[in-house]
Amino acid sequence: DQQVKQNSPSLSVQEGRISILNCDYTNSMFDYFLWYKKYPAEGPTFLISISSIKDKNEDGRFTVFLNKSAKHLSLHIVPSQPGDSAVYFCAAIPQGGSEKLVFGKGTKLTVNP
Amino acid sequence: DAGVTQSPTHLIKTRGQHVTLRCSPISGHKSVSWYQQVLGQGPQFIFQYYEKEERGRGNFPDRFSARQFPNYSSELNVNALLLGDSALYLCASSSTAYQPQHFGDGTRLSIL
Repeated sequence: DQQVKQNSPSLSVQEGRISILNCDYTNSMFDYFLWYKKYPAEGPTFLISISSIKDKNEDGRFTVFLNKSAKHLSLHIVPSQPGDSAVYFCAAIPQGGSEKLVFGKGTKLTVNP
Repeated sequence: DAGVTQSPTHLIKTRGQHVTLRCSPISGHKSVSWYQQVLGQGPQFIFQYYEKEERGRGNFPDRFSARQFPNYSSELNVNALLLGDSALYLCASSSTAYQPQHFGDGTRLSIL
């Protein structure tokens, strides 16, 4: 039972354009949502997070949007750079103070020069 | 500052054997979590420890166990290894609840 879903296994964009990565969740009992980036042979690196009481959080080129009614969040990267090419994971923290992260399957982003 | 360190980086075992994976958290971090990532999937939660106490356990069999030491480092133990245990095992640490977890580069475990 996949509670956090990333339905696009891959995405390809041109350098300088916007990358939009999507994530859907089925459980309303999540407190926080996070995005991680993973390069091959490295562990996931934290990018940005958003509380369930917010609808937008921005950090430099990265913006996360949360639509609670649609149970959907998205990560926008503007402008995209070749170094952004990696697998991006959406993750959620359930309510209750646990630090358990529930991950999606990931989306492989390729930014072409 | 050193990040989360895991050892060994790679490990090859045979079915039925036992394995111990080790993790040192970022200095000052008291929480350590373990995840299993199989090919094509996202990391799946195994355990979380905080101040040497188990705070959470994922849907894994009793063959999986873990502990945290007074210096906050941690070990993950897996007994009676099965082929399906082949995966990347990730350790993550954080300072407190709801702070972003920082991951190590993982241990790649292959079962023959």
